[in-house]
Amino acid sequence: NAGVTQTPKFRILKIGQSMTLQCTQDMNHNYMYWYRQDPGMGLKLIYYSVGAGITDKGEVPNGYNVSRSTTEDFPLRLELAAPSQTSVYFCASSDPGQGGIGTEAFFGQGTRLTVV
Amino acid sequence: AQKITQTQPGMFVQEKEAVTLDCTYDTSDPSYGLFWYKQPSSGEMIFLIYQGSYDQQNATEGRYSLNFQKARKSANLVISASQLGDSAMYFCAMREGSTGNQFYFGTGTSLTVIP
Repeated sequence: NAGVTQTPKFRILKIGQSMTLQCTQDMNHNYMYWYRQDPGMGLKLIYYSVGAGITDKGEVPNGYNVSRSTTEDFPLRLELAAPSQTSVYFCASSDPGQGGIGTEAFFGQGTRLTVV
Repeated sequence: AQKITQTQPGMFVQEKEAVTLDCTYDTSDPSYGLFWYKQPSSGEMIFLIYQGSYDQQNATEGRYSLNFQKARKSANLVISASQLGDSAMYFCAMREGSTGNQFYFGTGTSLTVIP
């Protein structure tokens, strides 16, 4: 089982460039998430989606955009990259679970992004 | 207010000893789930253990157990018989039943197992 697949694993961007981080899951999960993890810190939610066509902002959405045209895919778009966006990005997915809880989030391997 | 608080930035434990990693949470939702993840130096997030707010017994998974004290709103992870491979970052997370669509993570605890 592939689970959650993120590409690329590493990327260096120049300031002002744009890019899309790809995320695909094959578990038919309705919920998908994008987190960023800065060095020595926890995970901060950028955007999430509860199903195809539905997205919502998390804690740190500025500078990012997402779309969810299918259940499987949840790409994250960085527009006009800035050094502050240097981070490790994780995509995750989950089921709603019983009563909205009870099932864990499954994570991709992460994308290490450096903006120079 | 922080939903999840982990107050131990770093911990050291002797190999084969037990260690407790602290986690407190803040929610007014009666239905919630608590999760622990391990992040080794390779970077992936590995799910370890889950505790539901209505679970009567503390969760256990192999050498991992969760010391769930509902009144204190704490969900500490206990690792028994530490191994060198347990050296990693450990994150506590919560999911609330009223929304269920977000996982709130703490800042993590770095555990180092000393031979």
